[in-house]
Amino acid sequence: GNSVTQMEGPVTLSEEAFLTINCTYTATGYPSLFWYVQYPGEGLQLLLKATKADDKGSNKGFEATYRKETTSFHLEKGSVQVSDSAVYFCALYFYNQGGKLIFGQGTELSVKP
Amino acid sequence: GAVVSQHPSWVICKSGTSVKIECRSLDFQATTMFWYRQFPKQSLMLMATSNEGSKATYEQGVEKDKFLINHASLTLSTLTVTSAHPEDSSFYICSARRRPLKTGGNEQFFGPGTRLTVL
Repeated sequence: GNSVTQMEGPVTLSEEAFLTINCTYTATGYPSLFWYVQYPGEGLQLLLKATKADDKGSNKGFEATYRKETTSFHLEKGSVQVSDSAVYFCALYFYNQGGKLIFGQGTELSVKP
Repeated sequence: GAVVSQHPSWVICKSGTSVKIECRSLDFQATTMFWYRQFPKQSLMLMATSNEGSKATYEQGVEKDKFLINHASLTLSTLTVTSAHPEDSSFYICSARRRPLKTGGNEQFFGPGTRLTVL
């Protein structure tokens, strides 16, 4: 079946540190891959996406590359800020399945000043 | 950007009562709405998919008689938890999908969630 596995949190970093949140997936077919972010008290927001192999999604200094050979979509940021503290979700998206999203378990990031 | 609201944001009820949660797309028409359940420190689990004017499609293991979904218009979907019990306590999140601007797109926007506590 289709599934997403993320590294366990919480991840605690100091401001300006390098961030990697690992995401691997199992899928039949050709999904798009998404990263969503959930700030405290808010709904999920799309952070970035990639629709095919080798695509790189980027937004707000975050980036992730769709790696079909390793079935991965790791999230990276070169220098995190306190305002990046949130829960990050990796997700598979299947357009031909009614727009379903399959989420990983989420990784909580806490950035300390 | 597109905004999705949920009401109420939190609710406490007694065991055996029913609770209705509303999900509204405020500035766009939602062709599809999704309902998720999120347990602490866990992923969002899709419960059901609803299209305006038709019956909801429930995921395996979700009791459709317990979680009633009504998608009455292109801007409103409701989830009613019937005869709620403590094990139904959870965070319920809806999302609304508008017509994609291009093929393969996913214009899906999430509400802030509703915290349900059943005593």
